[in-house]
Amino acid sequence: EPEVTQTPSHQVTQMGQEVILRCVPISNHLYFYWYRQILGQKVEFLVSFYNNEISEKSEIFDDQFSVERPDGSNFTLKIRSTKLEDSAMYFCASTGRMNTEAFFGQGTRLTVV
Amino acid sequence: AQTVTQSQPEMSVQEAETVTLSCTYDTSESDYYLFWYKQPPSRQMILVIRQEAYKQQNATENRFSVNFQKAAKSFSLKISDSQLGDAAMYFCAYRRGETSGSRLTFGEGTQLTVNP
Repeated sequence: EPEVTQTPSHQVTQMGQEVILRCVPISNHLYFYWYRQILGQKVEFLVSFYNNEISEKSEIFDDQFSVERPDGSNFTLKIRSTKLEDSAMYFCASTGRMNTEAFFGQGTRLTVV
Repeated sequence: AQTVTQSQPEMSVQEAETVTLSCTYDTSESDYYLFWYKQPPSRQMILVIRQEAYKQQNATENRFSVNFQKAAKSFSLKISDSQLGDAAMYFCAYRRGETSGSRLTFGEGTQLTVNP
């Protein structure tokens, strides 16, 4: 069964450093997303991406964040200068044209120290 | 803006018994989808069941079924014959129906414990 894969599964970084979280969505999907879940809290939408551009972003997705689809398979989330409050689980998800449900990756746990 | 509310932070059930998790939502849209996702300790998000707002029939998936009350904007999840593997955080989620690319809005989650 096709699945969304994320790397790394866990990343520890120092405050102020840049991190790139990587995702490989399901191959024939067209819409890609990043969500964030701070420990003990609900899952929050960050950004959606379609046709090589951002289609929607939340108020959380400020100038520190960027997304990119550098090739035909990868979808990345970059945080330019990490803060302690960026520590969270980051989920990538994708949907196809006819899909109603989003398929999620296993998440990347980001710890900023 | 759409909101999703889960008023039960924690629920528990005895193995083999039935439990119902509550969810309410607020929207002015007429076309939308509702989902229940399960998040076990591994923190993977696993789709349990989905409901299209235009369908009157409640969705079922094996031991999982929903009670969708559109007028009341209520979407509860019933788990029958509960198993130890059902223990997890359950999130209710909403998505607008007009485009496949619209975001999911999640509730706060309900932590389900299954007692042997």
